[in-house]
Amino acid sequence: ETGVTQSPTHLIKTRGQQVTLRCSSQSGHNTVSWYQQALGQGPQFIFQYYREEENGRGNFPPRFSGLQFPNYSSELNVNALELDDSALYLCASSLSRTGGYNEQFFGPGTRLTVL
Amino acid sequence: AQSVTQLGSHVSVSEGALVLLRCNYSSSVPPYLFWYVQYPNQGLQLLLKYTSAATLVKGINGFEAEFKKSETSFHLTKPSAHMSDAAEYFCAVSPGGNTGKLIFGQGTTLQVKP
Repeated sequence: ETGVTQSPTHLIKTRGQQVTLRCSSQSGHNTVSWYQQALGQGPQFIFQYYREEENGRGNFPPRFSGLQFPNYSSELNVNALELDDSALYLCASSLSRTGGYNEQFFGPGTRLTVL
Repeated sequence: AQSVTQLGSHVSVSEGALVLLRCNYSSSVPPYLFWYVQYPNQGLQLLLKYTSAATLVKGINGFEAEFKKSETSFHLTKPSAHMSDAAEYFCAVSPGGNTGKLIFGQGTTLQVKP
């Protein structure tokens, strides 16, 4: 069974650019959640995708957007990058969207640095 | 709004000593509570979760946590620390419902001294 994978591992961008991060969910999982973890902080929920539809969003501006594909893999897109977007971006997949019972399995993350 | 507070950003213990990492939550409804561990340059791994089945929850690697509603706490313990336990630990709460989002605390770095 393959776990959650993310690409790329590291990324360096400059302010104002756009970035796309990718996530492959664990086999059989139809829900993907994205989190932003700034240095020294706990992860913060960005949004969740369930069967290709957005299913909840945290307090992030519209320049953070996402997609989920029919195979349940997902992308996180960030436009007009700002210095504060520098963080570890974590993807997590789960069997279903409902909270609590369904464990979220996390990938290793993508480290984004904005210069 | 639900929130999680982890008391102590850094905890240092000697190998073989008791580990106690504190977590208090704020929730207007019965919560789902979790402890995750993060090793350097890795994602999060679930240690244990509380889903109202039992107040004392046993997890992996010898960790356990007790849900105390009266104290709104969910502290993580391990009787005897190992060097391999050195990592970042996060307490998290899920509001439940149709969005399985997790609300994390700030994290506690556990240092284990030989």
